[in-house]
Amino acid sequence: SSELTQDPAVSVALGQAVRITCQGDSLRSYYASWYQQKPGQAPVLVLYGRNTRPSGIPDRFSGSTSGDIASLTITGAQAEDEADYYCSSRDTSAKHSVFGSGTKVTVL
Amino acid sequence: QVRLRESGPGLVKPSETLSLTCTVSGGSISSYYWSWIRQSPGKGLEWIGYIYNSGDINYNPSLKSRVTISVDTSKNQVSLNLISVTAADTAVYYCARDVKYSDSSGYYHWYFDLWGRGTLVTVSS
Repeated sequence: SSELTQDPAVSVALGQAVRITCQGDSLRSYYASWYQQKPGQAPVLVLYGRNTRPSGIPDRFSGSTSGDIASLTITGAQAEDEADYYCSSRDTSAKHSVFGSGTKVTVL
Repeated sequence: QVRLRESGPGLVKPSETLSLTCTVSGGSISSYYWSWIRQSPGKGLEWIGYIYNSGDINYNPSLKSRVTISVDTSKNQVSLNLISVTAADTAVYYCARDVKYSDSSGYYHWYFDLWGRGTLVTVSS
């Protein structure tokens, strides 16, 4: 399978936690990676692997996987976290990358 | 610090060929996977394909018949050609470094750790 499904939008109160999910068959074999994209900017990697943050990404970003669902959690959301978030992984063939449709996170 | 910069025409006529170059500075392109990814206006990200040292290339099945990705190690550049373009190919095109790693169990995973700023290509007559 080559599809990753994300909820289109989610909102979170400032300082609260929000969980973004990504579902797909390939996630049973491959970890998801997560990207933050703000308007007019290129995506930025925020999480990969089991739960690894690149240098410079705040520790309020964390991840987990269970079965065919990967999750990105923002604990203590800040105004600057308002963005689109995309998950990605290889498909079940391992030859192609796929992206989820993206989740727009609004911080209230 | 490794940087990626996409370049090429911002306007392409329908039925013609879209050609873009990604120049990598601050590091070698060898021993890494390099992907092209695009984003149509207001839409999500679409993976186009990757190349690894010229010998390992794979494309999105939906674009495979029209796309070619190549690498010039002497210039530290990765190129994208997309033939027979239509308005549906209007998008911001990104190049990205595609990192492959193995976990503690020996399974492989991938992620895009570096992205260029992207270049907008409009298909219009």
